[in-house]
Amino acid sequence: DSGVTQTPKHLITATGQRVTLRCSPRSGDLSVYWYQQSLDQGLQFLIQYYNGEERAKGNILERFSAQQFPDLHSELNLSSLELGDSALYFCASTPGDGGLDTQYFGPGTRLTVL
Amino acid sequence: GNSVTQMEGPVTLSEEAFLTINCTYTATGYPSLFWYVQYPGEGLQLLLKATKADDKGSNKGFEATYRKETTSFHLEKGSVQVSDSAVYFCALKRGSTLGRLYFGRGTQLTVWP
Repeated sequence: DSGVTQTPKHLITATGQRVTLRCSPRSGDLSVYWYQQSLDQGLQFLIQYYNGEERAKGNILERFSAQQFPDLHSELNLSSLELGDSALYFCASTPGDGGLDTQYFGPGTRLTVL
Repeated sequence: GNSVTQMEGPVTLSEEAFLTINCTYTATGYPSLFWYVQYPGEGLQLLLKATKADDKGSNKGFEATYRKETTSFHLEKGSVQVSDSAVYFCALKRGSTLGRLYFGRGTQLTVWP
């Protein structure tokens, strides 16, 4: 158990819908990272938040957004969903803003868009 | 740009066989290199890492050496077990101030008794 929790474990929805994925980092960790794992693209970095502020952005679509709240949990919002958004979404956390910290990963949320 | 290329799977081995999973990278500057493992139904776990050239990372019998001259970080284990069956990801992190990881496509390893 990495200490990073993600909810829900599974999500099934329809095209055009909007969903919210939640991540709680390890106790004391200030950074949260979101990754998407799909058959087409592999594991891709989406976005990082550090202590409530956006820190780095990767291949995140404009239909996707994220935020980190004062209690440090983070939410990833996916809207106007398409079939191709079906993937495993992981979050990870670190104590600091990156550096040489080890990233601890949650178990993931599996999103299926029908 | 920054990228990681690792050997295509799946890799199927008998118990106690020798394992090598090749990984090469392209990066600006001096990246740190990592191997992560993903067991079925779980998130990724750090297996080992190396932060500078010629460093050897090791854990649970797995080893990988950071080779700058060949831009490689191949994963090896002398004698695999059934419990090693998982997907292995090679990854890099650019420099010491940025957090994002760049992952390879992953290599599925299946070990038969």
